[in-house]
Amino acid sequence: LAKTTQPISMDSYEGQEVNITCSHNNIATNDYITWYQQFPSQGPRFIIQGYKTKVTNEVASLFIPADRKSSTLSLPRVSLSDTAVYYCLVLGGSQGNLIFGKGTKLSVKP
Amino acid sequence: GAVVSQHPSWVICKSGTSVKIECRSLDFQATTMFWYRQFPKQSLMLMATSNEGSKATYEQGVEKDKFLINHASLTLSTLTVTSAHPEDSSFYICSARGLAGGLDYEQYFGPGTRLTVT
Repeated sequence: LAKTTQPISMDSYEGQEVNITCSHNNIATNDYITWYQQFPSQGPRFIIQGYKTKVTNEVASLFIPADRKSSTLSLPRVSLSDTAVYYCLVLGGSQGNLIFGKGTKLSVKP
Repeated sequence: GAVVSQHPSWVICKSGTSVKIECRSLDFQATTMFWYRQFPKQSLMLMATSNEGSKATYEQGVEKDKFLINHASLTLSTLTVTSAHPEDSSFYICSARGLAGGLDYEQYFGPGTRLTVT
């Protein structure tokens, strides 16, 4: 399983764009990159998943460079309700298990 | 997206008793279910993986005789904490993976169960 490294914490203000970068130097060919959001005392919530280049949905964008050794989750115009822990994981198809790292605690201030 | 439920959402039990937590995939068939444990201010720790109809695979350091997992159907998995002790107090989260949303490796998480052992 590819190990991921992300900043422990980040601070932002409402309305700003937040970019959280994750390193996964040992990512395998069949690994996908997935990001989850977790609020206190709740289960993780799927945000976005990608394999390469750029993926965008109604919540976030995911940028993956050609070497796939890192990825960046971009949250546009964050609000106070985006304060949460964000986890970056890599998963190898249907045979992989999601192993969580420490995540990034994002604090959005007014 | 696919929905996974857990019951109960919280439970308080006395030391030495057993507690059962249910995990259900509500609108899809879960070929694989996972159980995690999360202590305060820590990340999720995978405890075990179970496939429907077969024995669960436990992660290193997790006592299989203490944390009994049953995955009897494609929509239900149960975790029984036997002879619970205060150190078992934690937030238990299940997740399910199956043919949902067009991707057979998407994993959906339940809301978690807060266990407090007194």
